This record gives sequence, C-alpha cells and structure tokens, in this order.
Amino acid sequence: AQKVTQAQTEISVVEKEDVTLDCVYETRDTTYYLFWYKQPPSGELVFLIRRNSFDEQNEISGRYSWNFQKSTSSFNFTITASQVVDSAVYFCALIGGANNLFFGTGTRLTVIP
Amino acid sequence: DVKVTQSSRYLVKRTGEKVFLECVQDMDHENMFWYRQDPGLGLRLIYFSYDVKMKEKGDIPEGYSVSREKKERFSLILESASTNQTSMYLCASSSWTAGRTEAFFGQGTRLTVV
Repeated sequence: AQKVTQAQTEISVVEKEDVTLDCVYETRDTTYYLFWYKQPPSGELVFLIRRNSFDEQNEISGRYSWNFQKSTSSFNFTITASQVVDSAVYFCALIGGANNLFFGTGTRLTVIP
Repeated sequence: DVKVTQSSRYLVKRTGEKVFLECVQDMDHENMFWYRQDPGLGLRLIYFSYDVKMKEKGDIPEGYSVSREKKERFSLILESASTNQTSMYLCASSSWTAGRTEAFFGQGTRLTVV
C-alpha cells in the first residue's frame, strides 16, 4: 500500500522566518518517486521537485531545499527566509509501481507580512 | 511549456444532470488523470488513462466514467450528478518514457451541484 502523510494541516510564519513542511511516506516498492507541488490561491498545482528512491542527495534551489531520508521515509521541504508569495497549499506525492500518484492531504502555509 | 487546459473554471449543475468535464493537453503525453480535491482529503484519483481508449479505475471511480477517444483529450463524465460530487476537479498529464516524471496539472474546475 502507498501512503503519504503530511501531519501539518496549517502553518503560519512571519515573513523572513524559515519553515519546514514535513512529508512521511509508506511504500513497499523499491523504486519510487517523490514530488512536491505548490498550489497557490489560483488553484493550479505547480511542480516543484522530483526525487527517485535511489537518489538521496539533498537539493537546494534558491530559498527552497529538500531533505530526503530513506531511513525515516521522509521527504521534508524547507523554505528559507519566507515571503508572502510563498503562501499556498503544498502537497507531497508519491508514485511507485502502480499508476497512481498518491498525494498527501496538503499543508496550508500562510506567511504573514 | 506543457499546457493542460480544462474547459471550465467554474460550473454549476443541477442534481441528476449529466455533466462533462473536458481536459486537453498539448504535449503528446500518453498518461492522463482525473483527480478530485476536497478539504482535508487532498487529491484522490478518480480515473487514469495510459493510452487512447485505455483506462484504469482510481480510488474513487463510483459515479464517474471517462472517455479518451484522442490522445490529447480526456473527459470525465458524471452520469447523474449528485450534491456529494460538488468538488474541485483537477486534470493532469504525464509521460513515463523516461521514468516516472512529474504530472502537469490544469487550472481546475470547481463544480457545484445544486
């Protein structure tokens, strides 16, 4: 069975604070892919990053960074020096051997100016 | 840029009506998806299509059907709309010829059934 858990339903931070969004996954597949998407108020999901199960390197892209740890089945997302434009719902997702891209329930991030 | 276009942004239908949600992608992707998004439940897969005329049921197919007569177009059909089908519907497409790459999403259709 595949499952993605985003335990944080809502987070509020003050602008310029750092924030980490947690994602824990479950899968029996040895080959799988993990994703993060951003959903701004406009509604369209925007792809942020993909990681495959054989690549545990952390990644940094500007103010965004991702920490993938197979030992704890986690793929956490950190925003450094948050900005108001980061306010959105963020989804973590997983796909393994089946054809279903499983999504977590999302974390709503509000950045307060 | 990949473009996934859903025919309507907002839709209001009456209970019992037959509803068609259309989705078109312009990147020649073989895979297309229909998801439903509800607060607290995230995105749940309704149907998946991996080729023309091919489909697989997702997690919540009851009350829905799909049609894929052309590669670029994937339609979601509500045979007899009910109020519990009021939701945001998201279409996506992807290509897995180089591993399980990301899915690209349309802007969503917010359907209200009254």
